Amino acid sequence: DQQVKQNSPSLSVQEGRISILNCDYTNSMFDYFLWYKKYPAEGPTFLISISSIKDKNEDGRFTVFLNKSAKHLSLHIVPSQPGDSAVYFCAAPGPLGNEKLTFGTGTRLTIIP
Amino acid sequence: EAQVTQNPRYLITVTGKKLTVTCSQNMNHEYMSWYRQDPGLGLRQIYYSMNVEVTDKGDVPEGYKVSRKEKRNFPLILESPSPNQTSLYFCASSPGTGGGYSNQPQHFGDGTRLSIL
Repeated sequence: DQQVKQNSPSLSVQEGRISILNCDYTNSMFDYFLWYKKYPAEGPTFLISISSIKDKNEDGRFTVFLNKSAKHLSLHIVPSQPGDSAVYFCAAPGPLGNEKLTFGTGTRLTIIP
Repeated sequence: EAQVTQNPRYLITVTGKKLTVTCSQNMNHEYMSWYRQDPGLGLRQIYYSMNVEVTDKGDVPEGYKVSRKEKRNFPLILESPSPNQTSLYFCASSPGTGGGYSNQPQHFGDGTRLSIL
């Protein structure tokens, strides 16, 4: 039972344009979400997070949007740069009382120069 | 430098031969965790620990053991490895304070690639 889903295994975007990565979840008890970025031969690194009390969180070129009614979040990267080429994972902790962390299957983003 | 160190980075071994993957962090973090990454399945949590002597199962704990005798170390033990445990393994840690353990950004090691023949 995949509680956190990333339905697009890959995405290609031209440099300078907007990249939009999507994530859906099934457990309405999830109240916090994180995005991680992973380069080949390295461990994932934290990118940005959002609490369910917000519907948007911004950090430089990265913005995460949360739509609780649709159980959907998206990561926007504007403008996209070649160094953004990586695999992106969304993750959901918990829910409350449970300290597990559930990751999505990942989306491989390729930025075309 | 703050880091999570895993050893070995690569290992090829045979079915049934016990092995241990070590993980050490130098950030005094309370929360530590192990994940495996498989194609099409993303990262799946194996075990996690909220502090010394406190461990709990993640989503795929079968065939694995862990221990947390010291705060900095969290070894992953495969008592009788099988080919379906061939995977890329990551150890991670996070501070674990200030409300919530698993919602704090985790620092990951660079991974251990295990091949079990």
